[in-house]
Amino acid sequence: KAGVTQTPRYLIKTRGQQVTLSCSPISGHRSVSWYQQTPGQGLQFLFEYFSETQRNKGNFPGRFSGRQFSNSRSEMNVSTLELGDSALYLCASSLAIGANTEAFFGQGTRLTVV
Amino acid sequence: GNSVTQMEGPVTLSEEAFLTINCTYTATGYPSLFWYVQYPGEGLQLLLKATKADDKGSNKGFEATYRKETTSFHLEKGSVQVSDSAVYFCALRNTDKLIFGTGTRLQVFP
Repeated sequence: KAGVTQTPRYLIKTRGQQVTLSCSPISGHRSVSWYQQTPGQGLQFLFEYFSETQRNKGNFPGRFSGRQFSNSRSEMNVSTLELGDSALYLCASSLAIGANTEAFFGQGTRLTVV
Repeated sequence: GNSVTQMEGPVTLSEEAFLTINCTYTATGYPSLFWYVQYPGEGLQLLLKATKADDKGSNKGFEATYRKETTSFHLEKGSVQVSDSAVYFCALRNTDKLIFGTGTRLQVFP
């Protein structure tokens, strides 16, 4: 069974540009969550989608947005990039939602903003 | 609110030593608890989980017991290997998102 696939693995963008990251969850999984990992702030929750609906959103500015498609694939978009957006962006896939649900992570997309 | 506190690293051990990484949590309700491991340049891998008090999660020689009375979920391994060198994250999940600790780097030397 294929794992969570994130593309691209690495990305370099210039301040002010926008970027789109993609996540394909494990087959059959309907929940996708996104996290930002930085050395200073650690792992922070961005948003969660289930059946194409955003269920939760973390404390990030409106420049960060996402969506989920009918095949459960998800994309996140960051507009007007800032240097501080440089981070590892991780996508997690879950079969369902709820406290007991295991989340499986992809390898991440390393975004560098210059 | 919900939070997770992990011991500061790095933890430096010789091969075959005993490992303990402390993790305590604050949460409302009845969260599930997880340990994840991150190898250099990789995403997070689920190591083990426990969903209720006194549950013991175990995998690959690692184990952790959900202690509600001390709000703890310490990770242990009886004999570490060089290949266990990585960053370990304790996390809790209530009804929605995962909340992570800051991570503990483990370095194992031969």
